[in-house]
Amino acid sequence: DAKTTQPNSMESNEEEPVHLPCNHSTISGTDYIHWYRQLPSQGPEYVIHGLTSNVNNRMASLAIAEDRKSSTLILHRATLRDAAVYYCIRLRNEKLTFGTGTRLTIIP
Amino acid sequence: EAGVVQSPRYKIIEKKQPVAFWCNPISGHNTLYWYLQNLGQGPELLIRYENEEAVDDSQLPKDRFSAERLKGVDSTLKIQPAELGDSAVYLCASSLGGRAYNEQFFGPGTRLTVL
Repeated sequence: DAKTTQPNSMESNEEEPVHLPCNHSTISGTDYIHWYRQLPSQGPEYVIHGLTSNVNNRMASLAIAEDRKSSTLILHRATLRDAAVYYCIRLRNEKLTFGTGTRLTIIP
Repeated sequence: EAGVVQSPRYKIIEKKQPVAFWCNPISGHNTLYWYLQNLGQGPELLIRYENEEAVDDSQLPKDRFSAERLKGVDSTLKIQPAELGDSAVYLCASSLGGRAYNEQFFGPGTRLTVL
């Protein structure tokens, strides 16, 4: 089973940080953790990925637990344009297996 | 640079009719994917190409679905005949080949409605 566990929905106030959790308790040592997001009526968009160490890019940060059984996507300052469905994906056998993701609502 | 292009954006057909979707990946991307996305669900991989070769088509319903990627660039996904349950969004994505963790770039999708 390559699926991860995420809350169905979350809300956050505009201009505040957002922490999106993900559990992947059966992850193996070579599975990468990917995050994609999907804005309404668009295809998914890559956000970030990591293996063991925390990662930062212009969009977000990814904090990976030491045992790698969970991770957190951090949006440092949410804007209305960040409202989307966020998918946490465990990459296995060169395949991205999407779950149902977390629907993030940003409150103005 | 243009992103992944898909056409048509919307298609409405009656059941038992054939339908085809077209995808033009980002220039230089030799890996191409077709996904199906049902309402409220995440995308599900149908087929993955490395250049012209379909390297993973295990999730493609081969009785009615077919795909091709001639010359390793554009790709077409076909359904014949379409069924009511095929109503969904069909997404195409591409990536630079070689490493499994490479970022995938998705097109806007084709929304299919089967009546």
